[in-house]
Amino acid sequence: DTGVSQDPRHKITKRGQNVTFRCDPISEHNRLYWYRQTLGQGPEFLTYFQNEAQLEKSRLLSDRFSAERPKGSFSTLEIQRTEQGDSAMYLCASTSRDRDTDTQYFGPGTRLTVL
Amino acid sequence: AQKITQTQPGMFVQEKEAVTLDCTYDTSDPSYGLFWYKQPSSGEMIFLIYQGSYDQQNATEGRYSLNFQKARKSANLVISASQLGDSAMYFCAMEGYQKVTFGTGTKLQVIP
Repeated sequence: DTGVSQDPRHKITKRGQNVTFRCDPISEHNRLYWYRQTLGQGPEFLTYFQNEAQLEKSRLLSDRFSAERPKGSFSTLEIQRTEQGDSAMYLCASTSRDRDTDTQYFGPGTRLTVL
Repeated sequence: AQKITQTQPGMFVQEKEAVTLDCTYDTSDPSYGLFWYKQPSSGEMIFLIYQGSYDQQNATEGRYSLNFQKARKSANLVISASQLGDSAMYFCAMEGYQKVTFGTGTKLQVIP
């Protein structure tokens, strides 16, 4: 257990529905990342927060995706009008500055299945 | 743009032997970091080792060492004395300016 938690761990939804995932980072970490991982692939960067500010968004993050981190603590990732191609594992990571860089600690992920 | 290439989709190694997992990268950022992560079948991503682009010495963490060759843009992971529990997917990743890029991974299987 890295100290990063994600909820829910599994989500099954019908195409067209909205879903929201939550990530609680390690409390003293000010940076938070969201990734998407499909079977057999490495994690793909989606977006990144420093405190409450969203500093970077991947072009993979279409208009149907939105992420927030109010108050710089937990973060939510919402997917609107889900499509079957959104089925994946959604990973959250938070970072601690160590040896002049950011070692990322990952949560267990939320596995989304869109029917 | 950042790119990580792992050319070995799968590797086998005999228990107690050493194994090298390859990783090459490309970036235009002058400062960057290179990471290796392990992902067992249970799914969690486990940090193994880090190398900064300005670090003079190769990083080591227990049985893990990172063979960093900056001119060749390679950051290979060496696992010494392989154990059955080392069987997993291994991902190389690079952090540049506000972005992290992962490779496609290498599946390592340790044979008793």
